[in-house]
Amino acid sequence: NAGVTQTPKFQVLKTGQSMTLQCAQDMNHEYMSWYRQDPGMGLRLIHYSVGAGITDQGEVPNGYNVSRSTTEDFPLRLLSAAPSQTSVYFCASKTGLQTGELFFGEGSRLTVL
Amino acid sequence: RKEVEQDPGPFNVPEGATVAFNCTYSNSASQSFFWYRQDCRKEPKLLMSVYSSGNEDGRFTAQLNRASQYISLLIRDSKLSDSATYLCVVNPQGAGNKLTFGGGTRVLVKP
Repeated sequence: NAGVTQTPKFQVLKTGQSMTLQCAQDMNHEYMSWYRQDPGMGLRLIHYSVGAGITDQGEVPNGYNVSRSTTEDFPLRLLSAAPSQTSVYFCASKTGLQTGELFFGEGSRLTVL
Repeated sequence: RKEVEQDPGPFNVPEGATVAFNCTYSNSASQSFFWYRQDCRKEPKLLMSVYSSGNEDGRFTAQLNRASQYISLLIRDSKLSDSATYLCVVNPQGAGNKLTFGGGTRVLVKP
């Protein structure tokens, strides 16, 4: 069972470079989201989507873009990487039910030099 | 004040002992509550939902205290494999499916 698949697992960027973190889920979940996790800060919501064609900002959206052209895919784009974006990024998805379980990808460790 | 606050720990627990810890939330209208478990360098996974009446899943008991705005997690007969970070998760009213995570409580079970 694939669940939520994130790529790449590790990435090193130089300041100013751009890149896209890929996320795909095969559970037909309506809701998809991106979090970043930093020591002492917990998981913070970057962007989320409640369905194809619909995206919205979370708590820390600056410096990131998303799109949701299909139900399955929710890529996260870093437009011009900064050292402050060094973090572990998690993609997660769930059904539309408020009580539904949030399923996470394995995470992507990004270092910006 | 953070929306969801947890004691970061670590809670050092002898194997076989009981450990309990709380999580406070600021939005009194929050509707859904969860405990997630995160192992070192791994993704979070749902441990259990927290119901108004309290609920138990094996050695784990979760309770909700709406009056004081906190949820709790109790682990009985701790196992070495219970060593992890436990994340408190709240779904505030009006937030749709957006979930707010606490910073996590680290539990270390030692022989």
